Amino acid sequence: EVQLVESGGVVIQPGGSLRVSCAASGFNVDDYTMHWVRQVPGKGLEWVSRITWNDDNTYYGDSVKGRFTISRDNIKNSLYLQMNSLRTEDTAFYYCAKDQNQYDSSGYWGMDVWGQGTTVTVSS
Amino acid sequence: DIQMTQSPLSLSASVGDRVTFTCRASQTVSAYVSWYQQKPGKAPKLLIFAASSLQGAVPSRFSGSGYGTDFTLTISSLQPEDFATYYCHQSYSTPYTFGPGTNLEIK
Repeated sequence: EVQLVESGGVVIQPGGSLRVSCAASGFNVDDYTMHWVRQVPGKGLEWVSRITWNDDNTYYGDSVKGRFTISRDNIKNSLYLQMNSLRTEDTAFYYCAKDQNQYDSSGYWGMDVWGQGTTVTVSS
Repeated sequence: DIQMTQSPLSLSASVGDRVTFTCRASQTVSAYVSWYQQKPGKAPKLLIFAASSLQGAVPSRFSGSGYGTDFTLTISSLQPEDFATYYCHQSYSTPYTFGPGTNLEIK
């Protein structure tokens, strides 16, 4: 079964750093472009970042650029999001998701598998 | 950045109704639009990709259309399990963006 399971969400003070993880099963993370998407409770979805399957090019939303880093460990078959200089407005539910199409970085085919999410709370 | 707007933001409808949601991009996104359904406490679910392609296992009462800047998602005959929030999403250029969502409620 293709599955994504996020972990690592905690309560952390502003200015702190945190890494959340996304463990994949049923497929290889290095064969797919992968994403992080977040959602403030009760609000809409915000695309955060993606890493392409073939060349590890990374892209970020404006609100996290320069503070967050997406990465992948092919041996552990996992995706990560390193979050630095955290702000209260980073408080959200963080989902990882995979592109539908293997060996593709176009984005044309949508994100077909999502994890259940992990909660990050930034508060003093 | 490409902004995605949706209308209406909220909609009340009855089982059996036909409903249409609209999504507009601030500049052309070709057909790089997908639609997601999200129920409370759950992860989003892919319904439509490439503007009009139905995702596998999604009921055929869902359909998408559009190209360029204007897109629609239609549910031909609402079922009780369809009451949820619907988001459009552009993957034409980074940063990717979602619309604000349309909350579909039972009348």
